[in-house]
Amino acid sequence: QKEVEQDPGPLSVPEGAIVSLNCTYSNSAFQYFMWYRQYSRKGPELLMYTYSSGNKEDGRFTAQVDKSSKYISLFIRDSQPSDSATYLCAMSETGGGADGLTFGKGTHLIIQP
Amino acid sequence: GAVVSQHPSRVICKSGTSVKIECRSLDFQATTMFWYRQFPKQSLMLMATSNEGSKATYEQGVEKDKFLINHASLTLSTLTVTSAHPEDSSFYICSARDTSSYNEQFFGPGTRLTVL
Repeated sequence: QKEVEQDPGPLSVPEGAIVSLNCTYSNSAFQYFMWYRQYSRKGPELLMYTYSSGNKEDGRFTAQVDKSSKYISLFIRDSQPSDSATYLCAMSETGGGADGLTFGKGTHLIIQP
Repeated sequence: GAVVSQHPSRVICKSGTSVKIECRSLDFQATTMFWYRQFPKQSLMLMATSNEGSKATYEQGVEKDKFLINHASLTLSTLTVTSAHPEDSSFYICSARDTSSYNEQFFGPGTRLTVL
């Protein structure tokens, strides 16, 4: 079993829809959870950063962490064609960027105009 | 946000040659940089952690003699792929830790290496 599981998609939804992206993980020591957006042939860009369980909202994006289920989610409201990209979940045991991150494979999201 | 650059963005080389990839933090100092590798349709996999002024720490299964890392200054880390082979062809991405920005890691744009 891989440490972080993420459905690679592609996930195609119409513009304006609510998008739900998810990851599951096996390492109970993970405490810090991140979502990155990656466009083709570019480096990842940080979208959301959360610690432990709970919700965090930033504009159209909401991140949820359920440590008891080892499950994290990213919701995108009012999706736009510009949101089309690959979304990567990432995790670490320690915060502060002190450790390298463990990534999921990424979900390729397509927002249809 | 902080900016991290990589050079070159793309390199094609013959089997058996060595290739050097540079990672620079442009507007902040980074005591720690990380090197990742990403194969097509796969996750970014951490290869090594590079600390300024000390030896890099390599992840299990990554050959330290093949992937030489030098972090000689607070803004520059280099990864040298020695005696490259076709199986080393991949997308190499670095990240740099900005201690002034909640210790967030900022990623470079990546370097695509193709070994013929």
